[in-house]
Amino acid sequence: GAGVSQTPSNKVTEKGKYVELRCDPISGHTALYWYRQSLGQGPEFLIYFQGTGAADDSGLPNDRFFAVRPEGSVSTLKIQRTERGDSAVYLCASSPTASYNEQFFGPGTRLTVL
Amino acid sequence: GQNIDQPTEMTATEGAIVQINCTYQTSGFNGLFWYQQHAGEAPTFLSYNVLDGLEEKGRFSSFLSRSKGYSYLLLKELQMKDSASYLCAVYASGGSYIPTFGRGTSLIVHP
Repeated sequence: GAGVSQTPSNKVTEKGKYVELRCDPISGHTALYWYRQSLGQGPEFLIYFQGTGAADDSGLPNDRFFAVRPEGSVSTLKIQRTERGDSAVYLCASSPTASYNEQFFGPGTRLTVL
Repeated sequence: GQNIDQPTEMTATEGAIVQINCTYQTSGFNGLFWYQQHAGEAPTFLSYNVLDGLEEKGRFSSFLSRSKGYSYLLLKELQMKDSASYLCAVYASGGSYIPTFGRGTSLIVHP
């Protein structure tokens, strides 16, 4: 079956703008994770969902960041009033359920804030 | 907090063997994963250890010592396509299904 997909693959925006990043997990996977990865670093946890609810959002850096998963499949990460420091690759991963499992990653969205 | 430490970069020769180390300090332990990430691509799963010892999978093996907070990934018969970043990720205390990733080790394989 299809893997995790993310759109867009690249997003260039200006400081202060609003952006939405989309993740489509593997069908049937109830757990969905968002990470941010800067060059030369490992993925940094942002938020994860089990079903429709955010199970843990402790990694969101501030209230400009928000994520939803209204129907328990597709998720959208929303960033308001973008700043240059938000520039990074945003990775999405899914797993069959929230547990100590292998995660299946999407190709990421490269966000550049000018 | 959790701390995962890996070397930043390693180089090796095609056909050789390389060992990438990972040390961790976490509150609790519920498994360690190794992922491979080629430049500009998604991380992909390589191996999983939750008990002490060696797990072998083809050219790749991974070792875990929980008492030492230590793991290594062993890559044999290196190929050019093995040039990538190798990420160590640890699940810590019970109930937190959030892995902590190391910064990754960039492996360069040269002819």
